[in-house]
Amino acid sequence: QVQLVQSGAEVKKPGASVKVSCKASGYTFTSYDINWVRQATGQGLEWMGWMNPNSGNTGYAQKFQGRVTMTRNTSISTAYMELSSLRSEDTAVYYCARRRITMVRGVIDRLFDPWGQGTLVTVSS
Amino acid sequence: QSVLTQPPSASGTPGQRVTISCSGSSSNIGSNYVYWYQQLPGTAPKLLIYRNNQRPSGVPDRFSGSKSGTSASLAISGLRSEDEADYYCAAWDDSLSGHAVFGGGTQLTVL
Repeated sequence: QVQLVQSGAEVKKPGASVKVSCKASGYTFTSYDINWVRQATGQGLEWMGWMNPNSGNTGYAQKFQGRVTMTRNTSISTAYMELSSLRSEDTAVYYCARRRITMVRGVIDRLFDPWGQGTLVTVSS
Repeated sequence: QSVLTQPPSASGTPGQRVTISCSGSSSNIGSNYVYWYQQLPGTAPKLLIYRNNQRPSGVPDRFSGSKSGTSASLAISGLRSEDEADYYCAAWDDSLSGHAVFGGGTQLTVL
């Protein structure tokens, strides 16, 4: 079945960087974008950006521009999200999600399915 | 502050019908599809409704979505205890270079 499996929890100090991985299985990795969404404890979902595993092209939310880098290794069907200059406010669960894109009745249909299980990143001194 | 506006909480008794609203603008809900994601306690979000009112296979027909103008809603009929979860609406926003935006989430309690 289609599955995304993420790396384990991380604890980082302020100012450090973290790199979270997302391994895809059950489908052709290069055929679908991978998006990243984060969720602070008790808070809502926040979209961070996308990466096309085939081309390596990326698009980031303005809030994270300059601090986030999304990459991939197609030989092992794995996407990565690296966030730098960490601060306490970056403490959150980070999710990867496969984005399926189709055009329906002239409107682009972009859904997230499935999602990875999430990776808790804790930023603390 | 979320771009899409949802009520923070909703509740109902078993068997009841509840609705959750989601308000946006012309650049997101008004011109793009709406999606709903269900997040059960301690788990990752799961696709519940896509393309405003379509259910993925495996999602019971007790769940339905609708959209009108710049607002959308999720209806759950025949409420069950296992429906207790957080529900998020989402859309893509043309004013933000095609970025995704979410509602703040609605915590549904089954009394």
